[in-house]
Amino acid sequence: EAQVTQNPRYLITVTGKKLTVTCSQNMNHEYMSWYRQDPGLGLRQIYYSMNVEVTDKGDVPEGYKVSRKEKRNFPLILESPSPNQTSLYFCASSPLLAGEPETQYFGPGTRLLVL
Amino acid sequence: DAKTTQPPSMDCAEGRAANLPCNHSTISGNEYVYWYRQIHSQGPQYIIHGLKNNETNEMASLIITEDRKSSTLILPHATLRDTAVYYCIVRLGSGDMRFGAGTRLTVKP
Repeated sequence: EAQVTQNPRYLITVTGKKLTVTCSQNMNHEYMSWYRQDPGLGLRQIYYSMNVEVTDKGDVPEGYKVSRKEKRNFPLILESPSPNQTSLYFCASSPLLAGEPETQYFGPGTRLLVL
Repeated sequence: DAKTTQPPSMDCAEGRAANLPCNHSTISGNEYVYWYRQIHSQGPQYIIHGLKNNETNEMASLIITEDRKSSTLILPHATLRDTAVYYCIVRLGSGDMRFGAGTRLTVKP
């Protein structure tokens, strides 16, 4: 089944404890992206990647890192989480059409609570 | 800065057409208009997208004005399962997809 998977789905952690949220897609998509969603603010893009070893900042990249060593994986790293990073996180992937992302397929989300 | 403007909420009667408007007055010639929806806290789901021409698929129709400054998503026969937040997105450039606050559509029996 074609899908985007995220792990973990739920995470409670404490301020300053490094964590990684994994994202994997089995559709051979070039484009992958991370979003966070907060009440009243809609979805905001954190980072995106157009292909392996190519990453770019989205709207709210501060406090996050990403890497794209393999086409299928795009982990989101919080080196020193803070309470303002408590949020619902979505990973997405998309094929490229004429060099641009086409339709994005979203993962189920990761709900993070930073105490 | 958001490039799209949508009403925060709308209601629609079950079985009737739902028409969701979106303004994108600063859209440039090569930018597409995309529509996604999000049911509760699930991952957003792609609905439809277009450049200039009107588009239709099994889920919805997309009507884009001739000047491309606005568009309307039409759900022809809304059901209770169409209750969701609907996002209109203009793609800014390579990879940069910006979601606004969307329109919360409530389909009522």
